[in-house]
Formats: sequence, C-alpha cells, structure tokens
Amino acid sequence: QKEVEQNSGPLSVPEGAIASLNCTYSDRVSQSFFWYRQYSGKSPELIMSIYSNGDKEDGRFTAQLNKASQYVSLLIRDSQPSDSATYLCAVNIKGDDKIIFGKGTRLHILP
Amino acid sequence: SAVISQKPSRDICQRGTSLTIQCQVDSQVTMMFWYRQQPGQSLTLIATANQGSEATYESGFVIDKFPISRPNLTFSTLTVSNMSPEDSSIYLCSVDRGRSNEQFFGPGTRLTVL
Repeated sequence: QKEVEQNSGPLSVPEGAIASLNCTYSDRVSQSFFWYRQYSGKSPELIMSIYSNGDKEDGRFTAQLNKASQYVSLLIRDSQPSDSATYLCAVNIKGDDKIIFGKGTRLHILP
Repeated sequence: SAVISQKPSRDICQRGTSLTIQCQVDSQVTMMFWYRQQPGQSLTLIATANQGSEATYESGFVIDKFPISRPNLTFSTLTVSNMSPEDSSIYLCSVDRGRSNEQFFGPGTRLTVL
C-alpha cells in the first residue's frame, strides 16, 4: 500500500515566523513530490514541485527532499495570515501517471 | 499552469437521479483525472481518463456508477449515476500537462444529494 503521511494539525504559527510542514512517504520508487495549498471551499493549487534531494526555494517557500529518509517538507518564511490553509503533500511513483495525496495539514497563522 | 473550467459549479440533486459534470481545458492535455473530496477529507482519485481509451478506475469505483467520457484532448465528463446522499461531495477534475506529473485542478463541482 503506497502511503503519504502528514500530521493533520492544526499547526498554529505566529505571524512572521517560519511554518514547517512535514510529509513522509512509503514507496522508495517515488520520483516526484508536490505541495498543494487548499483554501477552504477552493480547489488545490500547486505551489511547489521537487524532484531531487536537497532544497528548492521559491519566494517565501522552500521545499526540502530527503529520499533516503523518505521525507519531504515545506517551509514558509515570514508567515502571513493569508498562508492559513490546508497544505497537501503529493507523491508520484516512478512509472505511474497518478499522484498520491496525503490527508493534508491545516495551518493557522496567528495575527 | 492551465485554465480549467467545470460545469456546474454546484448542484442539488434528488436521490436516484444522475448528474454529468463537465471539465474543459484551455489547451490539449493527454491525462485528465477525476477526484472526489468529501467534507474535511483529502482527495480520492476516482479514475484516469485518456483520450481515445477507456478510463482507468481506482479500487472502489466502477464504470456503471461513474461513467467517464473523453472525446478529445480538451474535454471530459464524469457522470454520477443513481445518486444517493453518500455521493454528496466535491468533484474535481485535474490535468497533467506532461511536465513531470504536475497536476492542475479545476474549481470543482459541489454536489449535494437529498
């Protein structure tokens, strides 16, 4: 059973601090990793993709991938109230067209 | 990304009826996917729809209940058949534009079955 695990939260972070969201996955053949943001009542929005070990930065967002530990994380710097949302981790298995979603972590940025 | 539209955006239906949801993309895509998201839950893949072939259904979903059409590279429909209150959910289509499996989602269809 291929699984993607996330802490459901809610994760409460003060405005201006760094929010750290974590995700683990079970299948070692995973090759592509994604973070989606979903506001309440809206559809998921792709915010980061990462394919190789290490860090990938895009504005206030940094994705970190460690394939040996089967771990991917998302850091949000200078957190803003507008970052309050559910963050979904998703993983693609090599040779498969589909991606597998975790259950999501609810993030709440405290003003 | 891609511009994806879905119709209807929401509907309230009676038990035993069927609803067809449309998904339109602004450019040609190979892979389209249909998901269900129940309140407070994550995304559950219903099926993968490729143009020119039968849809591939995930475990727990069958063609008789969720028939899918994919007549061309920019359009797909999902029908929810013989609906029951348990089918109340948000239904989402997504597309893979062929760039390392990135998927982009439509705005969703909120279905309520009474």
